This record gives sequence, C-alpha cells and structure tokens, in this order.
Amino acid sequence: QSALTQPASVSGSPGQSITISCTGTSSDIGGYNYVSWYQQHPGKAPKLMIYDVSNRPSGVSNRFSGSKSGNTASLTISGLQAEDEAEYYCSSYTSSSTVVFGGGTKLTVL
Amino acid sequence: QLQLQESGPGLVKTSETLSLTCNVFGGSISGNNYYWGWIRQPPGKGLEWIGNIYYSGSTYYSPSLKSRVTISVDTSKNQFSLKLSSVTAADTAVYYCAKTVGQWPFVYFQHWGQGTLVTVSS
Repeated sequence: QSALTQPASVSGSPGQSITISCTGTSSDIGGYNYVSWYQQHPGKAPKLMIYDVSNRPSGVSNRFSGSKSGNTASLTISGLQAEDEAEYYCSSYTSSSTVVFGGGTKLTVL
Repeated sequence: QLQLQESGPGLVKTSETLSLTCNVFGGSISGNNYYWGWIRQPPGKGLEWIGNIYYSGSTYYSPSLKSRVTISVDTSKNQFSLKLSSVTAADTAVYYCAKTVGQWPFVYFQHWGQGTLVTVSS
C-alpha cells in the first residue's frame, strides 16, 4: 500500500483559514468514510483531531473541520492561531483491513 | 486517566530482533470495542502504521512489515508487545503504542504513549 499524498507544507497568517488535502485511491479514502487527521507538535505524540471524515473528538476546537470528495480528503483550520503550527497527518482505513498514513504536512503560521 | 508506556532497548544490532512492550495503566487491556496498535516514525519522517491487536489476540499487520512483525498481548500483565525481526538501519524510529477509539474498523488512535526511540546499528 502506498502512503496517502499530502502537500509538504502550507502556511497562513493568524486569523486566516487554510486547507490541507490528502489524496488516496478508491481502495482507501474513496472507498470508505474512515478518514482521520492527526496533529503532531515537535517531540510529541500525535493527537487525533478528526475521525470518520468530519467528526471531532471531545475537546478539539471547532475551528478544525474535515471533508471528503472522491479520493481526496481535506482538513480545514479556520481562525488560525500560533498554537496550530504543527505537522498534520491524514490516515485512512484500506480495503486490505489495514491503516495507511499520509506523508505529513507542515503548517506554518506566519 | 489512561496511560500507555513503551519500554525496551534503545539500541538494537542489525539483523537482530527489536522487542518492545507497551504497559497500559488506568484501564483494562481486555475491553470490548477497541484495539491496541503500534505506529512508528523514523527521525524527521512521517508516521507508519505497524499493526493492531485485540485483547483476544486477533491481529492486523502492515503488508510491508507483515513478514517480520509479531504483535502479542498479555492480559494478565495488562500489556502488549511488538517484535520486529531482521532489523536494518531503516527500522530506526520512534515507536509509539496506542489505543483506538470508536467502532469498527477500530483505526482511530486517540490514546498514545510518549514514544520510544529505537536505533538500529551494527
């Protein structure tokens, strides 16, 4: 299985909105609504931010939202804050009953 | 408060077997509706899923690692373990253990250990 495709980096100014894309295939993102997003700060364990494409775990800010169209999932962060600067990873269930991650996207808050 | 803690050697020799244990505190490993998983992250790189295990012993492995990986569970000790054989420098990574949340297919990792760096060197 190949890793999901994410842009290497995105950036935005405080208060703005950004969107990170995650492209897979019909065997993963396109075939199931089991997409999740993780936030990882340097030296820390990842944190689950979105699951089931667009659901937020308790305690995650509603500034984070997820969506999917075809084989591509997206994470949108609105009202950017300095604390949002981190690495973001998408993940999907696959037709082989496995899990695949994206390569990660570095978000820089300017 | 659920806590997961990885333990094991920080240095493994090339061609040998990497062995790590994840101890679970503040909750039972023998519960329904969640799996336990291993994920790794090479230095400066992205996350890679290794595999999941249910308390009954049912496992799912990454196709790329399946021939070298064994994940097992010991309910009496409230822990699960990872063994990765025939390691090379490419297996150098921070290894995380984690617990899933939600329903089938149990692929969302909400609780993570702090991670442990394993270096493979001759």
